[in-house]
This record gives sequence, structure tokens and C-alpha cells, in this order.
Amino acid sequence: AQSVTQLDSQVPVFEEAPVELRCNYSSSVSVYLFWYVQYPNQGLQLLLKYLSGSTLVKGINGFEAEFNKSQTSFHLRKPSVHISDTAEYFCAVSDLVDYKLSFGAGTTVTVRA
Amino acid sequence: DAGVIQSPRHEVTEMGQEVTLRCKPISGHNSLFWYRQTMMRGLELLIYFNNNVPIDDSGMPEDRFSAKMPNASFSTLKIQPSEPRDSAVYFCASSSSSADTQYFGPGTRLTVL
Repeated sequence: AQSVTQLDSQVPVFEEAPVELRCNYSSSVSVYLFWYVQYPNQGLQLLLKYLSGSTLVKGINGFEAEFNKSQTSFHLRKPSVHISDTAEYFCAVSDLVDYKLSFGAGTTVTVRA
Repeated sequence: DAGVIQSPRHEVTEMGQEVTLRCKPISGHNSLFWYRQTMMRGLELLIYFNNNVPIDDSGMPEDRFSAKMPNASFSTLKIQPSEPRDSAVYFCASSSSSADTQYFGPGTRLTVL
């Protein structure tokens, strides 16, 4: 079984500042990694995913994440945030056996002008 | 593409009543997942289907919960009888295969009084 830890529950940030959301996972087997975003009163939307290959993954809305196998991390970054990036962000992992997604507890990002 | 469709979007019911949540996956997707989201427990996978067959229902909390997928375009999650602790947002997601990206519906917000 795998698990996900999102190290920050709340991240306040000013508009146009950079943001990093931290995610660590544990698994005894190879995994796929995902970041989802949930805007208020909406479902989850995929930001980006890592399946294999380049460890730097680019996603939608200017987000990117880097897979670090030795540190079992998959941190999400954006160099300059907008007010519209205010949302909850979920890191998720699935193994290559049953592909079930395990989600972290989520990080709420609040962007202020 | 209409995306994953869930109904109703909001449901308020009284303890002891039967509740049925509905999901229409994206056309062509053959994997369907039911999740529950609460403040206390975050996002939990309840059950998932592959080609209309339940593969893993280990996340279903109690016998009061049941899920069906009679065909490739429709699934239901039923709670009978409902209890106040079942209050949550229930999400349905679908993917083209177990290993592929899951696309989430907008969710059903259930309140059991």
C-alpha cells in the first residue's frame, strides 16, 4: 500500500509571488504521481502527472512538478501565482498493481492581492 | 465532451431514508470510481469498477452502502438507511483504463439530518 503526505495544510501567498507545495509519498513499488486542483464547489481537475521519463513535469496553468525518487517527493511549483489559483491542491499516488489512487490531505492555497 | 455527470448535485435527507447517487461516466471510459470527501477523512476511494464489474469495494464503509454499474454508461451508489455521519461530498470519476488519468465529476453534496 502507498501513502501520501502533504506537508502544508495552508499556504498563503501574494499575487505574482512563487509558490511551492510539498508532497512526499511512501510505497514499496513503483508509482504514478498526480497533482489535482479543486476549486470551490467543484470536482477535481488534473494539473499534471508523472508516469515515467523526465522527472520534471509541466502541467496546465503554468504549474510544474519534479519527481525525486531518492527523496520520494513530488513537489508542485508555480513561479508567479494569480488570484485565480486560489484553490485546494491534492497530491495523489497510484501503484502499478491495482492503480488505485491514494490522496494526500490537501493544501489550501490562498492568493492575496 | 460533457465530462462525468453526477446527479443530484445536492441532496438533503433525513436519517433512515434511502439515498441514491447517480453517475454517468465519460463515453468510452471503462473504469469508474466512487470517492467520498469529508473534512475529517479527506478523499477516500469507496469502490471501483472495470468494464462494469466491481474490482475492489474494500473502501465501502458498511453494508448500508452498495454500488452498481448495470451498463457502461451508468452507475449508482446507494445508502440505505442513511445516517448523519454519511454527510459528505461524493465524487464519481472515470478513466479509459485503470492505469489512466481519472476524470472527476462535480460531486454530490449529501446532507443527512
